[in-house]
Amino acid sequence: GQNIDQPTEMTATEGAIVQINCTYQTSGFNGLFWYQQHAGEAPTFLSYNVLDGLEEKGRFSSFLSRSKGYSYLLLKELQMKDSASYLCAVLDSNYQLIWGAGTKLIIKP
Amino acid sequence: NAGVTQTPKFRVLKTGQSMTLLCAQDMNHEYMYWYRQDPGMGLRLIHYSVGEGTTAKGEVPDGYNVSRLKKQNFLLGLESAAPSQTSVYFCASSLKGSGANVLTFGAGSRLTVL
Repeated sequence: GQNIDQPTEMTATEGAIVQINCTYQTSGFNGLFWYQQHAGEAPTFLSYNVLDGLEEKGRFSSFLSRSKGYSYLLLKELQMKDSASYLCAVLDSNYQLIWGAGTKLIIKP
Repeated sequence: NAGVTQTPKFRVLKTGQSMTLLCAQDMNHEYMYWYRQDPGMGLRLIHYSVGEGTTAKGEVPDGYNVSRLKKQNFLLGLESAAPSQTSVYFCASSLKGSGANVLTFGAGSRLTVL
């Protein structure tokens, strides 16, 4: 079966750095997405990786290793507004999105 | 630019009642999707559409029907609601279905079935 694993919850301090990991086992791979979802709101797109390596976008970076079935989202200079759930999703060989359950990130002052 | 709009935002139903969730997008997107989100689980695809007049089943289609009569609208129907359909429903749309297929989501519809 297809599977996406992420930690359920993480806690970090304002101003610090946090890394949210995502491992996947899917039938084929056509890209990996990260979405941010604040409580009670819609998911919003953060990043897309299809090739190995690091993609940097401001305070957020996303890394992919296709050989290891692994990605991480790195958040720097954490702000209180970064408190949210972070969803990892993989586009499989049929171009269907397989979603992880999400990681709830709690930021403490 | 409204993006993706879902109505209603909240609804309480009794078991056996029917209802329709409406999704409208103003971005001229070809693809539209209905997902449900339950605690501790990833988003699960109910049905999707690759264009006006087309629909297809997703991962969890049982108990739901959809229609896409107009490109901008995607309706999700529950003919006979069951408590297992208590969930938050998200509609999404995308320009295409492959590659960097970025989804734009609606704000969600919280449905409770008693």
